[in-house]
Amino acid sequence: ILNVEQSPQSLHVQEGDSTNFTCSFPSSNFYALHWYRWETAKSPEALFVMTLNGDEKKKGRISATLNTKEGYSYLYIKGSQPEDSATYLCAFYSGSTLGRLYFGRGTQLTVWP
Amino acid sequence: DTGVSQDPRHKITKRGQNVTFRCDPISEHNRLYWYRQTLGQGPEFLTYFQNEAQLEKSRLLSDRFSAERPKGSFSTLEIQRTEQGDSAMYLCASRSRNTEAFFGQGTRLTVV
Repeated sequence: ILNVEQSPQSLHVQEGDSTNFTCSFPSSNFYALHWYRWETAKSPEALFVMTLNGDEKKKGRISATLNTKEGYSYLYIKGSQPEDSATYLCAFYSGSTLGRLYFGRGTQLTVWP
Repeated sequence: DTGVSQDPRHKITKRGQNVTFRCDPISEHNRLYWYRQTLGQGPEFLTYFQNEAQLEKSRLLSDRFSAERPKGSFSTLEIQRTEQGDSAMYLCASRSRNTEAFFGQGTRLTVV
């Protein structure tokens, strides 16, 4: 079983604050790292698919970095808004596991107006 | 609608009954996953299909659980003799080899 850890488990911030979360994963047999946003009563939605060490991806106010050698990825949200409130999940895809995605427990973000 | 669809969205059943859920993936996706999510946890892997072949099955999946994907299209997940501990959100996702997973909205099962 591969371990994917996310921290913190939950986060409460004020509107306008910037925030970041961490995803740790095994550094061997890396194939890809996915970030998803899961809003209440909706489906998890992919934010980023990251495959290369040193990758940095950005979508609006959200960005992510990847370090495959040390096995971590950071997700940053700049100027958080209430609509950013969701659970953020990372999922590790190993080249040795026939396509299975290993999910972390998620970081639950609440942004207060 | 070309997304992943799951049916039903909600299911309430009495303990001991059998339930079956259906997932229709995005048509060109050959990989299909079932996950279960309980309160405070991330999605837990249940099983994975590539086309019609069930390539992996979690040890979480007791012999009361069975999944099929006939003809490599839709999939069903059956739970026999449901227990209260089976209450959870059951998520289906599909993907192609190099894409992210696309999720359905899930089936929320409540066993009373």
